[in-house]
Amino acid sequence: QVQLKESGPGLVQPSQTLSLTCTVSGFSLTSYHVSWVRQPPGKGLEWMGVIWTGGSTAYNSLLKSRLSISRDISKSQVFLKMNSLQTEDTATYYCARGGYFDFWGPGTMVTVSS
Amino acid sequence: DIQMTQSPSVLSASVGDRVTLNCKASQNINKYLNWYQQKLGEAPKLLIYNTNNLQTGIPSRFSGSGSGTDFTLTISSLQPEDFATYFCFQHNSWPLTFGSGTKLEIK
Repeated sequence: QVQLKESGPGLVQPSQTLSLTCTVSGFSLTSYHVSWVRQPPGKGLEWMGVIWTGGSTAYNSLLKSRLSISRDISKSQVFLKMNSLQTEDTATYYCARGGYFDFWGPGTMVTVSS
Repeated sequence: DIQMTQSPSVLSASVGDRVTLNCKASQNINKYLNWYQQKLGEAPKLLIYNTNNLQTGIPSRFSGSGSGTDFTLTISSLQPEDFATYFCFQHNSWPLTFGSGTKLEIK
């Protein structure tokens, strides 16, 4: 059974770094790539970046200078780190599988506030 | 970046209606267009991939068509569980981009 689940701090202070984990099961990170997508409250979806099956990455140019995606294959985990957070980074953050985003995690809400 | 424009932004309809949602890309994306359904408080769910391929487990009342820059999602007979927000998504060019969504509400 394919599952993805995001985890993270919930609340981050402005200018700090966000660290999120996506833990997957039912498939291998060497067989499917994983993307991060975020959604501000009441707004649309924004693709953030992807980690490919071989471990290379690609990022949305709007976020590239602040964003890093990595993984631990042995733990079936994908990590997102984004620095210099601002209030506009408040959003629900999702991880999604593959090129079609056929499976998604339930999302984790991150609030940027002092 | 490729801009994805969805219309209408809100669509009011009744159970049993046939509805069509539109998505227009700012440049040619070939067939690389997906549709997702999102209900309040839930993650998006894949309905259609590569323009017209129905994802496993999705009812056949959902269908997609189009090519190039203009695409449509059709629901042949609305069911109560179909009232949600629908997003289109292009995966032809980087960065991957979503449309702003069509909210399908009960008339």
